[in-house]
Amino acid sequence: DGGITQSPKYLFRKEGQNVTLSCEQNLNHDAMYWYRQDPGQGLRLIYYSQIVNDFQKGDIAEGYSVSREKKESFPLTVTSAQKNPTAFYLCASSTSTSGRRKTQYFGPGTRLLVL
Amino acid sequence: AQTVTQSQPEMSVQEAETVTLSCTYDTSESDYYLFWYKQPPSRQMILVIRQEAYKQQNATENRFSVNFQKAAKSFSLKISDSQLGDAAMYFCAYRSASGGGADGLTFGKGTHLIIQP
Repeated sequence: DGGITQSPKYLFRKEGQNVTLSCEQNLNHDAMYWYRQDPGQGLRLIYYSQIVNDFQKGDIAEGYSVSREKKESFPLTVTSAQKNPTAFYLCASSTSTSGRRKTQYFGPGTRLLVL
Repeated sequence: AQTVTQSQPEMSVQEAETVTLSCTYDTSESDYYLFWYKQPPSRQMILVIRQEAYKQQNATENRFSVNFQKAAKSFSLKISDSQLGDAAMYFCAYRSASGGGADGLTFGKGTHLIIQP
């Protein structure tokens, strides 16, 4: 089946530790995104990538890093510089054709907790 | 920068009744998309309906329809014949249609919809 997968479903981070969240899609979408959701809040954009080997900061990129070495994969690393990482993280993807941006579809999310 | 406002933190409706969720947005752009996403307790974000700003006709998907008022920058979602499975958080979202500038969706804070049996 085509879709977006995220792993793990739950992730625990110790103080000072970097952790990486996985996002894979087999929809042949060009663009991929990472969002953060805090309780009672909407989603906020962390990073996005419109093409392989290129990515851009979103609204809340500090303390996070990404890579886009393959079209299908867009992993997010939560670094020790992110002082409040506890949140629900959602990955999304969309096609991007002729400059008109298309609908974003979301993965099931990863819940990150700090020990 | 664009902003999206959902003024109703929570709404409640009887099963089989109709409910309308409100959304307003602020933008200086003329070409954009608006979306309603549903987030059930599983927390998966599910697309409900999408509207392109250049289309005057309101989008409809089965029991879901929108009232898009571009001049007023209003984008409400109407759910007809409410069902228990409609219970969820509903998020309104904005996305620029053109290239250039930051990509991504701008979300409102959501409306929690409760369906009373």
